[in-house]
Amino acid sequence: AQSVTQPDIHITVSEGASLELRCNYSYGATPYLFWYVQSPGQGLQLLLKYFSGDTLVQGIKGFEAEFKRSQSSFNLRKPSVHWSDAAEYFCAVGGNNFNKFYFGSGTKLNVKP
Amino acid sequence: DAGVTQSPTHLIKTRGQHVTLRCSPISGHKSVSWYQQVLGQGPQFIFQYYEKEERGRGNFPDRFSARQFPNYSSELNVNALLLGDSALYLCASSSDRGGNQPQHFGDGTRLSIL
Repeated sequence: AQSVTQPDIHITVSEGASLELRCNYSYGATPYLFWYVQSPGQGLQLLLKYFSGDTLVQGIKGFEAEFKRSQSSFNLRKPSVHWSDAAEYFCAVGGNNFNKFYFGSGTKLNVKP
Repeated sequence: DAGVTQSPTHLIKTRGQHVTLRCSPISGHKSVSWYQQVLGQGPQFIFQYYEKEERGRGNFPDRFSARQFPNYSSELNVNALLLGDSALYLCASSSDRGGNQPQHFGDGTRLSIL
């Protein structure tokens, strides 16, 4: 069965520091992988997606993610975090036949000044 | 272009009542999916509609139903509301129905059950 695990519930980083958010997935075939960000009281905004090809994908707002098939991981990274990045981040895997996305439970990012 | 719009933004109901939530997809998008997001959790898939037909259903009771109209807008209906139905209900649209299609989310409807 498909599933997504985000091991870190909360992460706090200092502004300007680098960031890595972890995501592990379980899926039988080649996965379609996504990262979304959610600000309080709002919907989810797509940061980036991976379908195939280059395992390092670039997204909006300076984010990137690397797909590692051997580790079933799709970690999100940013070299230098800004205070406006404080939000909740969700990793998701897409199914084959229809738009049933499986979401992780999210990682809340706090940014210290 | 307008994004996915949902109405109402907030709703308060009591146990046993029913509720209808509405969603307008991005223009040109034919697929609409509904998700339930309970506080502190990730979104859980409820339904997908594509070309006005149900294409996928998550693990939710029959109290939950939905439909899609000829203009691709959609309604989610929940009957016999329970306290546990309190959540943020998210609608997402995409141009096609495949799992490789990024979903674009609305800001949700916050449903509170008293």
